[in-house]
Amino acid sequence: SAVISQKPSRDICQRGTSLTIQCQVDSQVTMMFWYRQQPGQSLTLIATANQGSEATYESGFVIDKFPISRPNLTFSTLTVSNMSPEDSSIYLCSAEGTVTYEQYFGPGTRLTVT
Amino acid sequence: GESVGLHLPTLSVQEGDNSIINCAYSNSASDYFIWYKQESGKGPQFIIDIRSNMDKRQGQRVTVLLNKTVKHLSLQIAATQPGDSAVYFCAEASSGGSNYKLTFGKGTLLTVNP
Repeated sequence: SAVISQKPSRDICQRGTSLTIQCQVDSQVTMMFWYRQQPGQSLTLIATANQGSEATYESGFVIDKFPISRPNLTFSTLTVSNMSPEDSSIYLCSAEGTVTYEQYFGPGTRLTVT
Repeated sequence: GESVGLHLPTLSVQEGDNSIINCAYSNSASDYFIWYKQESGKGPQFIIDIRSNMDKRQGQRVTVLLNKTVKHLSLQIAATQPGDSAVYFCAEASSGGSNYKLTFGKGTLLTVNP
């Protein structure tokens, strides 16, 4: 299984600023994914990030708010732009496993916006 | 949109008892179903999966049952241990063109009492 790390593990940010979250995988993967998990709730897919193409966003999430980069097969970033307190959440990245539907998750980034 | 607040079902069991965690899924076209375990402060961890053409699959101390007629999935944990305390999510994987996307259920908080 892939080992996934995220930076930062947590941050407290001011309203109106932006934060970029980094996700590193220990092996090359084609598909990476970004999720949001509000406290005590389930995971919601934000977007799918393929290397070499634009990210595909889910309904309710837009590129201007959550720009994603995928410069190579082991790395991706998610930026949370122009933050408001409603963006306070845990942001998780995942990477596909050896079986197409398998996903392995990073530890998450806990974001608090004040 | 996403609701706010804690909505997790909870299950409390005694150490050594068997646990059964249930999940209702929504998409009758889903190909695979996966159970994840999420401990506090960590990302979801893959436990076991089952393909849609199966109705039962066993792993080490865990069994997943799939009832497609009523779109119901369950996870059975034998001889539950304190280390099993976590939130358990079911996820359904459906093909979205070139890749699978996971849709997560609400989650169940399992507490194991020593």
